[in-house]
Amino acid sequence: EIVMTQSPVTLSVSPGERATLSCRASQSVLSNLAWYQQKPGQAPRLLIYGASSRATGIPARFGGSGSETEFTLTITSLQSEDFAVYYCQQYNSWPLTFGQGTKVEIK
Amino acid sequence: EVQLLESGGVLVQPGGSLRLSCAASGFTFSTYAMTWVRQAPGKGLEWVSTFSASGGDPHYSDSVKGRFTISRDDSKNTLYLQMNSLRFEDTALYYCAKRAVSGRGIGHYMDVWGKGTTVTVSS
Repeated sequence: EIVMTQSPVTLSVSPGERATLSCRASQSVLSNLAWYQQKPGQAPRLLIYGASSRATGIPARFGGSGSETEFTLTITSLQSEDFAVYYCQQYNSWPLTFGQGTKVEIK
Repeated sequence: EVQLLESGGVLVQPGGSLRLSCAASGFTFSTYAMTWVRQAPGKGLEWVSTFSASGGDPHYSDSVKGRFTISRDDSKNTLYLQMNSLRFEDTALYYCAKRAVSGRGIGHYMDVWGKGTTVTVSS
């Protein structure tokens, strides 16, 4: 099983600032990596797939990068609606696995 | 509009059984793999099971293998999860999710999620 480790667990950011979230895979997942956003009481929302491709309707301030074992989700100029929990997920091999999440909170 | 609506979640005793359903609409259900993901209270997302489109083999997490069975009825646009031998640790919100890409092959990331149905295992 591929273990996905996200850091930090919590990220405190002021509105308008940049947030950088990390996701590390225990072995290579190539570019088969997705990012999701989850707000309280809501289902997850797909943000990024293929490590760097934005899903339909996702604003350009969300960007993904990386490959193999190291991945980054960058949110430039955080908006109020961006404060949420973010999860990475690998889909290179079964079982599908998620990271434990990074909570982006208001500083 | 693409929609997924889960149902069937209830309070059940340890060792009991339950069947969850996920009714899909707004897309060609039969051509998409479908997945169950769960989230224990206050915890992260955990993949449970995926049923591929077009007769592919189902996949299960080790934590549910042998106890849960995923199935689908393409004539009813419905995904199911039969849950047997339930344990306290199966308590969670269970989401049904649609694969973003139709057909087969690699690429099991999910672009549409239901609101979830809550399963509580308690004595």
